[in-house]
Amino acid sequence: GAVVSQHPSRVICKSGTSVKIECRSLDFQATTMFWYRQFPKKSLMLMATSNEGSKATYEQGVEKDKFLINHASLTLSTLTVTSAHPEDSSFYICSARVPSGTGELFFGEGSRLTVL
Amino acid sequence: RKEVEQDPGPFNVPEGATVAFNCTYSNSASQSFFWYRQDCRKEPKLLMSVYSSGNEDGRFTAQLNRASQYISLLIRDSKLSDSATYLCVVRNSNYQLIWGAGTKLIIKP
Repeated sequence: GAVVSQHPSRVICKSGTSVKIECRSLDFQATTMFWYRQFPKKSLMLMATSNEGSKATYEQGVEKDKFLINHASLTLSTLTVTSAHPEDSSFYICSARVPSGTGELFFGEGSRLTVL
Repeated sequence: RKEVEQDPGPFNVPEGATVAFNCTYSNSASQSFFWYRQDCRKEPKLLMSVYSSGNEDGRFTAQLNRASQYISLLIRDSKLSDSATYLCVVRNSNYQLIWGAGTKLIIKP
């Protein structure tokens, strides 16, 4: 089946630094990718929809200047957490939509961000 | 009211028992329905889609009631390996997935 890979799987950074997380579709081209955030014991929260070649669509309450999303190619979307703070520590997951058929979503492995 | 609501957990169930998960959704225009399984903060994996006629996959049975906006998942003859968090997921017309908070299942020997 389709594979989506995220990198890094785990990152620890100091407060104030920026962190980039990559999401790649390995065997299909994804015009649309989604970024989610998961707090402990909470459901996945959709942060934004990333569209190849255009600006991302952010959900209400998500700061677009803080969570920069770039979808420069059909196989890569990046999420950059700018000026990270401890409250940004979370589990970030991406998904990519298969463009044909049922438009099934495949998920990356997730990236655990810890901001000290 | 949350868009997707699930039973609060955790469920502690002896091995071999049958366990049922319930889920309700608020948007009557929702198009597709799924159950995902998530292990220990790993990425969620699709367990099964839920069809209007109900569907079964081995020990797992999913049901959908559009009139009541209700989805269920039944696990028969539960195994230790079934221990995980089960997430009810609803897809809207924009292909966005709306996630329930999940119900943690603990199977005890």
